[in-house]
Amino acid sequence: ETGVTQTPRHLVMGMTNKKSLKCEQHLGHNAMYWYKQSAKKPLELMFVYNFKEQTENNSVPSRFSPECPNSSHLFLHLHTLQPEDSALYLCASSQMYTNSNQPQHFGDGTRLSIL
Amino acid sequence: AQSVAQPEDQVNVAEGNPLTVKCTYSVSGNPYLFWYVQYPNRGLQFLLKYITGDNLVKGSYGFEAEFNKSQTSFHLKKPSALVSDSALYFCAVREGSNYQLIWGAGTKLIIKP
Repeated sequence: ETGVTQTPRHLVMGMTNKKSLKCEQHLGHNAMYWYKQSAKKPLELMFVYNFKEQTENNSVPSRFSPECPNSSHLFLHLHTLQPEDSALYLCASSQMYTNSNQPQHFGDGTRLSIL
Repeated sequence: AQSVAQPEDQVNVAEGNPLTVKCTYSVSGNPYLFWYVQYPNRGLQFLLKYITGDNLVKGSYGFEAEFNKSQTSFHLKKPSALVSDSALYFCAVREGSNYQLIWGAGTKLIIKP
């Protein structure tokens, strides 16, 4: 499925670097999400944007900074990360955050490794 | 508090045999239930959902799931497993006006030829 595209697919960075993850959806959706996926753990919701407005921030450290310039694009800016931040970061979109019966559509993720 | 449990980290099934991946949930109201699949090096793909109505829900790739309110379960099933079904399966629940999905930890399904 190419509806949600994430770049880069892999990222290795040092703890003092600044980098950004990008997500783009071509599905005409109005809600976009960032998730963190670690092995053998449930997906952790990080941020939700609905119609470009941030509606959820699940106590995410400030070293992660989201940006949603429009309903099709979502960024996650990274700065001064820790080794425990190494994980797969997934972007998803859905019709509307408040439409509870609609599924989310996921990108293939960015595999992030912190040295 | 809402929660989802996938009691098996891994399920092994021989090709051609029926498969079941278990999911139980806890919510205070009516649940919206979802199954997703994740193939290696890919994101999650939606398989099926239960919102209301018929307790047996059919989804993609021949999968189905049965909603059981009394047992608070939503097990994923397929009558005849394929090697290509080998993947990681996630159950998720949402309750009413609480829009966040609550995810299970995932079950690795291995289908052996």
